[in-house]
Amino acid sequence: TQLLEQSPQFLSIQEGENLTVYCNSSSVFSSLQWYRQEPGEGPVLLVTVVTGGEVKKLKRLTFQFGDARKDSSLHITAAQPGDTGLYLCAGDAGGTSYGKLTFGQGTILTVHP
Amino acid sequence: GAGVSQSPSNKVTEKGKDVELRCDPISGHTALYWYRQSLGQGLEFLIYFQGNSAPDKSGLPSDRFSAERTGGSVSTLTIQRTQQEDSAVYLCASSPPGLGPEKLFFGSGTQLSVL
Repeated sequence: TQLLEQSPQFLSIQEGENLTVYCNSSSVFSSLQWYRQEPGEGPVLLVTVVTGGEVKKLKRLTFQFGDARKDSSLHITAAQPGDTGLYLCAGDAGGTSYGKLTFGQGTILTVHP
Repeated sequence: GAGVSQSPSNKVTEKGKDVELRCDPISGHTALYWYRQSLGQGLEFLIYFQGNSAPDKSGLPSDRFSAERTGGSVSTLTIQRTQQEDSAVYLCASSPPGLGPEKLFFGSGTQLSVL
């Protein structure tokens, strides 16, 4: 069974601060996604990383995939109240597990004005 | 439609009753996925369809759970003899042809409460 350990579970910060969320596993993933979910809604895909060492930027969000494709991080610069939400990482092991994403437990981010 | 549509949005049922949850994927999306989200468990894979066939049913928690997809479009997740531990948000997602699980579009889910 593949597991994704996501940390921290909760993050409460002030507007303008930087933060990093981590997603770690002992398993290799063919791709890893980051989602953001708001209450009463389904997760919305932010980014997919597929190459070890890959870095992707989405405005103030920077996503990194580890060289060994076992871990990933999400860094937010100068957080804003609109960034508040549940952030989820999800890994696709591919092969016989194709179609079955493994999700981390999520990070609840609260950004205070 | 513009997005993945799920119905009902909320369902309250009594223990032992059967329930049906419906998912309408984005038009043209060939793959369809069901996940379950509950407190303390995160998102848990249930089943996925490629067209009308389900290559992987390994995530279904018990034989009380079944799913079907007809016409390569609408899918129904059925839970028979519901138990309190079935209470959760059931999420459906679809993906465009050729992209698979690396690009999922989720619906807003069905909140199931079993009393």
